[in-house]
Amino acid sequence: EIVMTQSPATLSVSPGDRATLSCRASQYINTNLAWYQQKPGQAPRLLIYGTSTRATGVPARFSGSGSGSGTEFTLTISSLQSEDFAVYYCQQYNDWPPMYTFGQGTKLEIK
Amino acid sequence: QVQLVQSGAEVKKPGASVKVSCKAFGYTFTRYEVHWVRQAPGQGLEWMGIINPRDVRTNYAPKFQDRVTMTGDTSTDTVHMELSSLRSEDTAVYYCARVGDYGDYHDFWGQGTLVTVSS
Repeated sequence: EIVMTQSPATLSVSPGDRATLSCRASQYINTNLAWYQQKPGQAPRLLIYGTSTRATGVPARFSGSGSGSGTEFTLTISSLQSEDFAVYYCQQYNDWPPMYTFGQGTKLEIK
Repeated sequence: QVQLVQSGAEVKKPGASVKVSCKAFGYTFTRYEVHWVRQAPGQGLEWMGIINPRDVRTNYAPKFQDRVTMTGDTSTDTVHMELSSLRSEDTAVYYCARVGDYGDYHDFWGQGTLVTVSS
């Protein structure tokens, strides 16, 4: 099983500032990495797929990147808005047979 | 537009089974696989498995292999997830989610179904 590790567990940032969230895979996953945002009482929402492609309707302040190693990934949210404070999960969808594990989540809170 | 609509909340006793349904709207049902993901109270997301509605092939996470059954009904555009031998640790919100056009990420999610296991 591929283990996904997110850091930090909690990130305190002021509105208008930039947030950088990290996700590491225990083995190579190519670019098969997605990011989701979840607010309390809601289903997760897809933000990024294929490491860096924004899903339909996702604002340009959200960007995803990878280090090129296929194991290190970053979600950057520039100029945080009030509606961005939520929990963020990364997920790999590279494993075969399918075993598509999530990271444990990063809670983005208002500083 | 694409929607996944799930069945309502359930309360079950330990040892019982639960069947959650997920009805698809707004797209060709047989073209996209559907995943099931669960979330225990205050916890993270846990991937359970995937079903291809076209040929009903499935892949389950090893943790659930012995207890989960995912099925599909093309006459009603609905997939089902049945979990047996329920225990208190199975108390969670269960989500269905459709795969994307370019990979097995989840682009559309159901609203979730709370399953409570309690004696």
